[in-house]
Amino acid sequence: EDQVTQSPEALRLQEGESSSLNCSYTVSGLRGLFWYRQDPGKGPEFLFTLYSAGEEKEKERLKATLTKKESFLHITAPKPEDSATYLCAIKETSGSRLTFGEGTQLTVNP
Amino acid sequence: DSGVTQTPKHLITATGQRVTLRCSPRSGDLSVYWYQQSLDQGLQFLIQYYNGEERAKGNILERFSAQQFPDLHSELNLSSLELGDSALYFCASSVGVTGVLSTQYFGPGTRLTVL
Repeated sequence: EDQVTQSPEALRLQEGESSSLNCSYTVSGLRGLFWYRQDPGKGPEFLFTLYSAGEEKEKERLKATLTKKESFLHITAPKPEDSATYLCAIKETSGSRLTFGEGTQLTVNP
Repeated sequence: DSGVTQTPKHLITATGQRVTLRCSPRSGDLSVYWYQQSLDQGLQFLIQYYNGEERAKGNILERFSAQQFPDLHSELNLSSLELGDSALYFCASSVGVTGVLSTQYFGPGTRLTVL
């Protein structure tokens, strides 16, 4: 059964303090690993898709990387507006559904 | 704004009742997905439609059903509601089902409260 585990569950940073969020996964065949950002009471907002080990993608202060067992979301010099829950999801080769992790709740204090 | 719309935003109803949630996908998207997000279970896949046909099913209860219409909008019907059905229900859409075309964009959700 596909599994996605995110850590830490919650992370509190000071503005400008860089850090990384982890997403480890178990899947028979990976068709894509997705990162989403979710604000309270809102729908998940798409950030990145990674397809193969070694792939990296960047957007503003965020950079996502992928290995065969896990993905990292690196946040460089975060700002308070980066506060949100970050969700990781996988899609396996035999289907279209996304299997989500529980998320990391990030708080960035000014 | 993802371009996916969902109505209503909020729904409050009683146990045993039936409700219908509506989703309009992004222009040009053929595939629609429904997810349930509750506090204790995270985001769970319910069902997927592609161009009017059911394509995949998750852990969707028998009391729940969905369909996608010729204009590609979708409805999720929830019946014999129980307290435990209270959750956020999200619709997502994608152009296709493979590669970059399968990236799912989520709507703002419908918050269902069952009293």
